[in-house]
Amino acid sequence: GENVEQHPSTLSVQEGDSAVIKCTYSDSASNYFPWYKQELGKRPQLIIDIRSNVGEKKDQRIAVTLNKTAKHFSLHITETQPEDSAVYFCAAANNAGNMLTFGGGTRLMVKP
Amino acid sequence: DGGITQSPKYLFRKEGQNVTLSCEQNLNHDAMYWYRQDPGQGLRLIYYSQIVNDFQKGDIAEGYSVSREKKESFPLTVTSAQKNPTAFYLCASKGSGNYGYTFGSGTRLTVV
Repeated sequence: GENVEQHPSTLSVQEGDSAVIKCTYSDSASNYFPWYKQELGKRPQLIIDIRSNVGEKKDQRIAVTLNKTAKHFSLHITETQPEDSAVYFCAAANNAGNMLTFGGGTRLMVKP
Repeated sequence: DGGITQSPKYLFRKEGQNVTLSCEQNLNHDAMYWYRQDPGQGLRLIYYSQIVNDFQKGDIAEGYSVSREKKESFPLTVTSAQKNPTAFYLCASKGSGNYGYTFGSGTRLTVV
């Protein structure tokens, strides 16, 4: 089955700096890679996703890159703000998309 | 709750009791999932159902049971066989052709 590893487990940045979270996956058949943001005590919410037919996708201050050859994908947050502080999860799914496998999560702390 | 509702928000269980967590969605989604999240940890899959009257065990199904008698509902029972049930439980759903999961707001279960 699929295995998704996520690094780092915690990340502390100064407000205004960039943050990068990296994930690797094992199943070469995976072709859908979403990222979720979970604030303390709340539900995960989809913030951006990418399919394997593109290498990069951007949405304002967040971007995701995908390297299919190396089987890794990354989340980039620029100009971080305190409200970006949360736990971020990456995930991977195969063609059917019925089963997401999640990474272990990254706790991002943005210091004002 | 974005079309998927979990209840109750907080639940207390005595030793030896079975408790049932509710998950209802009005998104007309075929697939539904239950995840367990321990403090500071990632999401672990308990059970999932891709269609009415069918469900499959996830990675940590022992001590849990589910049913899927209606498309809208996927209740999770935490049985007395689950020795360490204190955790945050998240329900999610996914529509066909839509790869992203929608999560409920979660139920925090505590053993007293």
